[in-house]
Amino acid sequence: AQSVTQPDIHITVSEGASLELRCNYSYGATPYLFWYVQSPGQGLQLLLKYFSGDTLVQGIKGFEAEFKRSQSSFNLRKPSVHWSDAAEYFCVIYNQGGKLIFGQGTELSVKP
Amino acid sequence: GAVVSQHPSRVICKSGTSVKIECRSLDFQATTMFWYRQFPKQSLMLMATSNEGSKATYEQGVEKDKFLINHASLTLSTLTVTSAHPEDSSFYICSASGPGGVSELFFGEGSRLTVL
Repeated sequence: AQSVTQPDIHITVSEGASLELRCNYSYGATPYLFWYVQSPGQGLQLLLKYFSGDTLVQGIKGFEAEFKRSQSSFNLRKPSVHWSDAAEYFCVIYNQGGKLIFGQGTELSVKP
Repeated sequence: GAVVSQHPSRVICKSGTSVKIECRSLDFQATTMFWYRQFPKQSLMLMATSNEGSKATYEQGVEKDKFLINHASLTLSTLTVTSAHPEDSSFYICSASGPGGVSELFFGEGSRLTVL
């Protein structure tokens, strides 16, 4: 079955520190992968996406993600976190049935 | 860039009444729209998929008579929660995709429904 797992429900980092949010997927073929961010009470904003090609994907707000087929992972990274990055982050896979499958989400808190 | 707008952003209603939530694509033609439900501190759950001019396809466990979805035009889909009850209180989010499919997919801002 197709699935997306975000192992960390909640992460706290200090402002200025680096960040890595983990995402693992289960899918039979090369997946379409996304990272979305959601601020409290808001809709979803696309950070970046991977369809094919270069496995290191650059996104908005200084985020990047690396697709690793051997590890079935698509981890999100940022070298220096800002207080405004505090939000919920969702790793998402697009399946052949035309549907998005969401991970459980990782809540990021940023310490001053 | 493309924008998907939902209205209302917040709605409070009494138990037993019906509530309509609109989802509009503002600058592109949305061939497919999706409706999601999100409980507090949880992920998004797909409720249904609708294509313009045809009946919506509901996910397993979603009551089609409770959650009426209409996609009458290429820029508008509506979700009507009929005879709402407190357990229907939730955050409802729509997304819309154009002819480009997943490469042209955008989310609305969400609508918070509270049923008293």
